Amino acid sequence: TQLLEQSPQFLSIQEGENLTVYCNSSSVFSSLQWYRQEPGEGPVLLVTVVTGGEVKKLKRLTFQFGDARKDSSLHITAAQPGDTGLYLCAGITGNQFYFGTGTSLTVIP
Amino acid sequence: EAEVAQSPRYKITEKSQAVAFWCDPISGHATLYWYRQILGQGPELLVQFQDESVVDDSQLPKDRFSAERLKGVDSTLKIQPAELGDSAMYLCASSTRPISGEQYFGPGTRLTVT
Repeated sequence: TQLLEQSPQFLSIQEGENLTVYCNSSSVFSSLQWYRQEPGEGPVLLVTVVTGGEVKKLKRLTFQFGDARKDSSLHITAAQPGDTGLYLCAGITGNQFYFGTGTSLTVIP
Repeated sequence: EAEVAQSPRYKITEKSQAVAFWCDPISGHATLYWYRQILGQGPELLVQFQDESVVDDSQLPKDRFSAERLKGVDSTLKIQPAELGDSAMYLCASSTRPISGEQYFGPGTRLTVT
């Protein structure tokens, strides 16, 4: 049983389209992180959100932490082929760290 | 820029053989993690070290897996004997502080067991 479920699991879109990835749980997290992993490499941290309702923007990426700190979303505007990769959310609760199930994004030129 | 080093990058081994992976974390990072990742899925924590001590190895299959970080710097993860189901990417990560600190990942070791 995964503590953090991501949806969709796979996403293939055309360059220029917008998309949203969801990260959901029944547990409350003190903070939540998003990572991107390119093929053959390790994950790289994109952002950390710590406050319920917090919204952070990183260029074309917008991250939101749910008010109840149980869920998060990642929205990408005008996707580019360089956005292709595996997107992972990761939640911190107590002294435990959990990765989500992952969303594999492919942006077609 | 400091990076986490892992070797080998790729390893093919036959089932029942022993295999070992090495990780050198970023200098000064006291916390070191080993993860296993099935292709397209999120990483699963195998073991967490704080300096040379194991903090969490609850998900480590201890009948065949072992991990050590003798001097609190680099670390080795061993599998003996390897099974077909062990085929995966093995990732090492380090951070300055446990759990809440940003984790910096190495490139991983892709293991194929035949």
